[in-house]
Amino acid sequence: SAVISQKPSRDICQRGTSLTIQCQVDSQVTMMFWYRQQPGQSLTLIATANQGSEATYESGFVIDKFPISRPNLTFSTLTVSNMSPEDSSIYLCSVDTGTRGPGELFFGEGSRLTVL
Amino acid sequence: SQQGEEDPQALSIQEGENATMNCSYKTSINNLQWYRQNSGRGLVHLILIRSNEREKHSGRLRVTLDTSKKSSSLLITASRAADTASYFCATVRAGGYQKVTFGTGTKLQVIP
Repeated sequence: SAVISQKPSRDICQRGTSLTIQCQVDSQVTMMFWYRQQPGQSLTLIATANQGSEATYESGFVIDKFPISRPNLTFSTLTVSNMSPEDSSIYLCSVDTGTRGPGELFFGEGSRLTVL
Repeated sequence: SQQGEEDPQALSIQEGENATMNCSYKTSINNLQWYRQNSGRGLVHLILIRSNEREKHSGRLRVTLDTSKKSSSLLITASRAADTASYFCATVRAGGYQKVTFGTGTKLQVIP
């Protein structure tokens, strides 16, 4: 298993500003994922962040809008840039420890962003 | 795009009753999983069933998988108020890149 801490847990931001979300894991993991959950919706994968390589973005998400850092095996950041009200969502960090099968994910508590 | 569609979207039952949620998906899978999310918080992994398995149990949870119909069901027996949450199925496609894709979710309310 893995314990994941995310900061901030929630924030209210002004349009046009940027916010960086931090994700700290209590063990070393190779595969880390960032998801977005818009209000009342399911989870959509933003990008995969593996240490030592550039993040891989899903269709509809670009690095300029969602830059990601992965400096080591226990930490990652996601920045939401030039925010608009449409970016109001819960952003979730998750990891795959690979212990029981591919894709068994552990999640942080999420960062709930409201953009005014 | 989302891999799974869940049915029903919302379910309200009395405590002690069983709750059944269904998930349909589109492509061949490596495995299928179910997660629970309490009130917009992080997701908790409940159970994983591999593509060569047909049924799996964990406590009060029973999951079935029918790969010919590309569908799965989650049964929660003897439900409790604490089971109130959203439940998501998630799939890992067969072969290649192991991305996890989430379904639309079922919102379960268990009334004490």
